[in-house]
Amino acid sequence: GAGVSQSPSNKVTEKGKDVELRCDPISGHTALYWYRQSLGQGLEFLIYFQGNSAPDKSGLPSDRFSAERTGGSVSTLTIQRTQQEDSAVYLCASAWDRATDTQYFGPGTRLTVL
Amino acid sequence: AQSVTQLDSQVPVFEEAPVELRCNYSSSVSVYLFWYVQYPNQGLQLLLKYLSGSTLVESINGFEAEFNKSQTSFHLRKPSVHISDTAEYFCAVKGGGADGLTFGKGTHLIIQP
Repeated sequence: GAGVSQSPSNKVTEKGKDVELRCDPISGHTALYWYRQSLGQGLEFLIYFQGNSAPDKSGLPSDRFSAERTGGSVSTLTIQRTQQEDSAVYLCASAWDRATDTQYFGPGTRLTVL
Repeated sequence: AQSVTQLDSQVPVFEEAPVELRCNYSSSVSVYLFWYVQYPNQGLQLLLKYLSGSTLVESINGFEAEFNKSQTSFHLRKPSVHISDTAEYFCAVKGGGADGLTFGKGTHLIIQP
C-alpha cells in the first residue's frame, strides 16, 4: 500500500511568513509523529498524535509552532512568523499504534526561510 | 530522558570489507532500540529493531545488531559491505513512556571501491 506522504516536498518562504506542512499517514495508522532534521541539531522529535489528540506539546521548539490532526488521519504542522533558524527538513512518521513502536517515515518537506 | 551517542560521524571502508557502526545509549528505564538508514535523496527506512527476546537482531540485507544491556550498546555490523550500502545510518532509542524516538547524530558509511 501507499506509504507516508508529505506536501509540499520543498517550500521556500520569506522570514515572517506563515507556512503549513501536510502529512498523510499510512491508512489505518493511529499514531503520527513529527520530527525535524537539521544540520546543527540532527533529528529532533517535535510532537506525537494518538488519534486526533496530542498529549504532550513540549517538544515543539516555540509557541510559533502548532500542529493538528483531523479525522484521525491527515496532520498539518503550522509555523507562524517563520525565522531563518526554522529552515530544516520536517519529517512525518506513522505507526499502527504507539505500542508497536515501528515508525514509518515520509520523504519530508524541506523548508527554507530566506 | 534518553540520549544516543554515535561515536563516528563518518566511517570509510573498502567494498567487501566488514564494518561496525557504534551506538551507545543512556537511559534510566528499559528501552527499545532501532537502526534507521537514509540512502542519498531518500527518506528514513527502518533497518532493524530490538524490542525484547533475542539480543541479536538481523535485517534482510545482511546487517545485524546486538543489544548489550551491561554496556548500553547496540552496535551495527555487516561482514561484507557493498557499494549500495553507502548511506547515513541513525541509531534511535524509545522508552520510559516517551512518545517519540531519540536519535543519534548519524554515521555516514562511505564504501570505497
